[in-house]
Amino acid sequence: GIQVEQSPPDLILQEGANSTLRCNFSDSVNNLQWFHQNPWGQLINLFYIPSGTKQNGRLSATTVATERYSLLYISSSQTTDSGVYFCAVQLANAGGTSYGKLTFGQGTILTVHP
Amino acid sequence: GAGVSQSPRYKVAKRGQDVALRCDPISGHVSLFWYQQALGQGPEFLTYFQNEAQLDKSGLPSDRFFAERPEGSVSTLKIQRTQQEDSAVYLCASSPRGRTIIYEQYFGPGTRLTVT
Repeated sequence: GIQVEQSPPDLILQEGANSTLRCNFSDSVNNLQWFHQNPWGQLINLFYIPSGTKQNGRLSATTVATERYSLLYISSSQTTDSGVYFCAVQLANAGGTSYGKLTFGQGTILTVHP
Repeated sequence: GAGVSQSPRYKVAKRGQDVALRCDPISGHVSLFWYQQALGQGPEFLTYFQNEAQLDKSGLPSDRFFAERPEGSVSTLKIQRTQQEDSAVYLCASSPRGRTIIYEQYFGPGTRLTVT
């Protein structure tokens, strides 16, 4: 099956710092989502970005589908940004019954200190 | 509008008991997914429904796991004769996706199952 690798596995920042999280995937995809899992376990949708660049406030994301990677940028980090960030992809051209599922990476654990 | 809801939020079961976990998707969403998240891991796919049809159950770990969505809205994930390895967070997601158009998935808060 498709492999999804996220880096770094852990990241510790001081409040106000910038960071870049990376997601590499092993096959062509037609859906890529970034999530933030807060300390209560809720997965919060950050971006739906199968290709291109999007920005939402201090967060932005870029997916280069032809090179099979995506980047999540966090600028001016805040303590509330702490949590686990997941990248999840859906395999392109998957036939039959495997069509809808997302395959997740292992996540990046972000800790922002005040 | 309301997001995906799940109940109960927490469930403690003795080994061997049966449990039922409920998911209420976003109103009108065609597609519904169940995922299992072990501690420290990313969620893993269990099963997928399009309306009431279960189109993919390739991720269900054993025949003790059963899911249904009889009227194409609410879904129930049932685990029979629970084992300790079933302890995990069970996440439900829905999307307005049809058969040929891909939409993003929205997740519920999850049910944390602990088997003692």
